[in-house]
Amino acid sequence: QVQLVESGGGLVKPGGSLRLSCAASGFTFSDYYMSWIRQAPGKGLEWVSYISSSGSTIYYADSVKGRFTISRDNAKNSLYLQMNSLRAEDTAVYYCASRANGWFDPWGQGTLVTVSS
Amino acid sequence: QSVLTQPPSVSGAPGQRVTISCTGSSSNIGAGYDVHWYQQLPGTAPKLLIYGNSNRPSGVPDRFSGSKSGTSASLAISGLQAEDEADYYCQSYDSSLSGEVFGGGTKLTVL
Repeated sequence: QVQLVESGGGLVKPGGSLRLSCAASGFTFSDYYMSWIRQAPGKGLEWVSYISSSGSTIYYADSVKGRFTISRDNAKNSLYLQMNSLRAEDTAVYYCASRANGWFDPWGQGTLVTVSS
Repeated sequence: QSVLTQPPSVSGAPGQRVTISCTGSSSNIGAGYDVHWYQQLPGTAPKLLIYGNSNRPSGVPDRFSGSKSGTSASLAISGLQAEDEADYYCQSYDSSLSGEVFGGGTKLTVL
């Protein structure tokens, strides 16, 4: 079945870095745009970034531009998010999701990133 | 402050009908971009509920329906059931931000 599994979350100090991964299975990963979306504890959803199927088109939310880098490896059916210069306000559950014609489906189960000293 | 505005909470008794509004602007919903809705049950990842304003993915009951008009959209849930208690989010695209935007979410309580 279609599945997205995130990994790489954890506790990191302010100013630190972390790399998230998302492993896809059950669909033709290379055909789809992919996105990262986050949810701070007790808060709503915030779109972070998306990348086109080939990786040639990338967009970021202003809140992470210049600090986060999205990438993908279609041969490994994997999506990545390199997060640098992390701040307390980046603390959230990070979800990867397939983006099809503007909507997000499916979603992974999420991985928690905590930025704290 | 979310770009799309939703009521923080709505409630209804089992069997009743409730609606959740999603208000945007001329750079997102009003510009013609589609609205999509997600259901997030407690402790789980969001799940697509309505796509393209009014379309239901396979497996979503027809008790759920969506509509869009002008700069707003609505999600209607009829025949409320206890299992519908969840957070609901609308989502669209914003041309001035060049990215996706979400509503702040609405918590549905089934009384």
